[in-house]
Amino acid sequence: AQRVTQPEKLLSVFKGAPVELKCNYSYSGSPELFWYVQYSRQRLQLLLRHISRESIKGFTADLNKGETSFHLKKPFAQEEDSAMYYCAPEGRAGGTSYGKLTFGQGTILTVHP
Amino acid sequence: KAGVTQTPRYLIKTRGQQVTLSCSPISGHRSVSWYQQTPGQGLQFLFEYFSETQRNKGNFPGRFSGRQFSNSRSEMNVSTLELGDSALYLCASSLESLNTGELFFGEGSRLTVL
Repeated sequence: AQRVTQPEKLLSVFKGAPVELKCNYSYSGSPELFWYVQYSRQRLQLLLRHISRESIKGFTADLNKGETSFHLKKPFAQEEDSAMYYCAPEGRAGGTSYGKLTFGQGTILTVHP
Repeated sequence: KAGVTQTPRYLIKTRGQQVTLSCSPISGHRSVSWYQQTPGQGLQFLFEYFSETQRNKGNFPGRFSGRQFSNSRSEMNVSTLELGDSALYLCASSLESLNTGELFFGEGSRLTVL
């Protein structure tokens, strides 16, 4: 069964501290992986996708196929990073999408001043 | 460019009633997905429509249904409402299909079932 796990429901850090939001997945095939974010009173939006290998707002995400993990990291957290973060694999087989994203339970990140 | 628009934003129903929620995707987007968001279950996939065809369906009972019109607007319907259907229902659109991975979400329709 396809499954994605974000083990931490709540994560608190102080401003300037490193932060890592964990995501583990169990998927057949080679899923594409995404992180979505929802800031207070804003819509859920894409933060970054693995295939782009980009850094958005200082965040990066490393795919570890051996551990089937896709943790989101930022070396120096800022107060404006406080939000709900969702890991979302997209099921694929042979390069073809299954046509849906499966979202993890989400991690609420709070960055204290 | 206008974002994804969902109506109504809030509604209250009683058990046994039915409800229809509407979603207007971003202009040019042909794929519309629906998700149910609850504190306990998080975001759960309901179904996805592309060019008026349901391409994928989540693990929800048959009381949950949807459709997409030729202009890509979509509706979802929940019949015989149960208390557990209280949730925020999110609609998301994307340009072609979920191959792009980037979904653009609406603000949601918050349904309360009494």
